[in-house]
Amino acid sequence: AQSVTQLGSHVSVSEGALVLLRCNYSSSVPPYLFWYVQYPNQGLQLLLKYTSAATLVKGINGFEAEFKKSETSFHLTKPSAHMSDAAEYFCAVSPLYNQGGKLIFGQGTELSVKP
Amino acid sequence: DTEVTQTPKHLVMGMTNKKSLKCEQHMGHRAMYWYKQKAKKPPELMFVYSYEKLSINESVPSRFSPECPNSSLLNLHLHALQPEDSALYLCASSQEIARNTGELFFGEGSRLTVL
Repeated sequence: AQSVTQLGSHVSVSEGALVLLRCNYSSSVPPYLFWYVQYPNQGLQLLLKYTSAATLVKGINGFEAEFKKSETSFHLTKPSAHMSDAAEYFCAVSPLYNQGGKLIFGQGTELSVKP
Repeated sequence: DTEVTQTPKHLVMGMTNKKSLKCEQHMGHRAMYWYKQKAKKPPELMFVYSYEKLSINESVPSRFSPECPNSSLLNLHLHALQPEDSALYLCASSQEIARNTGELFFGEGSRLTVL
C-alpha cells in the first residue's frame, strides 16, 4: 500500500533562513506527488506537484521540490523563509493508477518562522 | 480566492439538530469529495462522487449523508451528530477520476462544533 512519511511534525526556522521540509513515499512505481499548504482556519492550497515530467518542480511563493526516485523522496525547499510562510504543510501521493480518486496524505509538518 | 465555495464557514449544532453543509464549484470538475480534518491532523477522506454518483464511502457513519444534486453542487447532511464529530469539513473537486493525476482543489472548509 502507498504511504507517505513526513519527517518532523514541527520545523522552526528564522526569517531569511533555508526552509527544508522532508517527505518520503513508499511505492514500487513512481506516483504523482504533491505538496499542499494550509494556513490557519483555511483549506488546503496546492503548492506544487510532480507528475513525471521534470524532477525539479517549482511552485508558488518561491517553493520548489525535487523528486528523487533513488531516495523515494520529494523534499520541499525555499531558499529564504518569510513570516508569511508559517503554516501546516502536507505532502501527498496519488497512485499512478489512481484508485478511485484517493489522495494519501502525510501527517503534516508545522512550519514556524521566527523574526 | 478559492474556486470551491463552502457554506457555512462556521456551524454550531446540538446533537439532536439536522443541518447541512454545502459546496459549489464551477470549474467543470466531475469528481467531488468530502474530507474531515481534526486539529493538527491530515484530512481524512469521507466520500467521493464521480459524475454525480457515489463512488467511495470510507465507512462513514450514517449520521453523515452526502448528496450530489448536480455536477456543481455537493451537500453533506448532518443528523444526530456526536461531540467527537466536531471538526473542519473540507470539500474538494478534481477532474474526472479516470484522467485525474490526483490534484485536488479544496474549499476553505466549514468548521463544525457539536454541543
